[in-house]
Amino acid sequence: DTEVTQTPKHLVMGMTNKKSLKCEQHMGHRAMYWYKQKAKKPPELMFVYSYEKLSINESVPSRFSPECPNSSLLNLHLHALQPEDSALYLCASSQGVLGTSGRRDNEQFFGPGTRLTVL
Amino acid sequence: GENVEQHPSTLSVQEGDSAVIKCTYSDSASNYFPWYKQELGKGPQLIIDIRSNVGEKKDQRIAVTLNKTAKHFSLHITETQPEDSAVYFCAASYSGNTPLVFGKGTRLSVIA
Repeated sequence: DTEVTQTPKHLVMGMTNKKSLKCEQHMGHRAMYWYKQKAKKPPELMFVYSYEKLSINESVPSRFSPECPNSSLLNLHLHALQPEDSALYLCASSQGVLGTSGRRDNEQFFGPGTRLTVL
Repeated sequence: GENVEQHPSTLSVQEGDSAVIKCTYSDSASNYFPWYKQELGKGPQLIIDIRSNVGEKKDQRIAVTLNKTAKHFSLHITETQPEDSAVYFCAASYSGNTPLVFGKGTRLSVIA
């Protein structure tokens, strides 16, 4: 299995809703990432988990709450979002973790994304 | 911190022609340079990468070159096909110690 899967593919939510995005990989990767991508822009890093521990939080508002229940799963809990949070949310994983160097293991593989619309 | 500039922002080529996309980076410590292809409605797909101990890498119709002295790297696509139409992103990082920093992307259109 060489892919990152994300559910749901599309999500529409109101500003008072609570929802969660899910990401899964079975490649044995030790680092997992959440990115946000607005239209016609590159992905922006939100969070990095290394060995199931949060290692980077790029000053993301607290209405986004990540969770890594185990080495294969990554969740992003959403609460009280704003319309400007509408975007494509991408999950990625890599074998290598930040803080180590390796010749082959910093390749990041992305999932297909969840298209989020906040009304 | 690292800054990656990517040019051009849009590129149109005739089917069968070559396409070249160029990126420059600012941090001389960066040593890993991947290229991603993103089709409409999909996540970015890693298509090729290069590390600072090599100057060129090829994979069929795709090649990447790296000039560490000038701090720039380029993606070359030969014999372009309509299915090469997508947005291409370059990125740079230091060998796992820093997250990827992306360029702003190039929208490539291959005209049949």
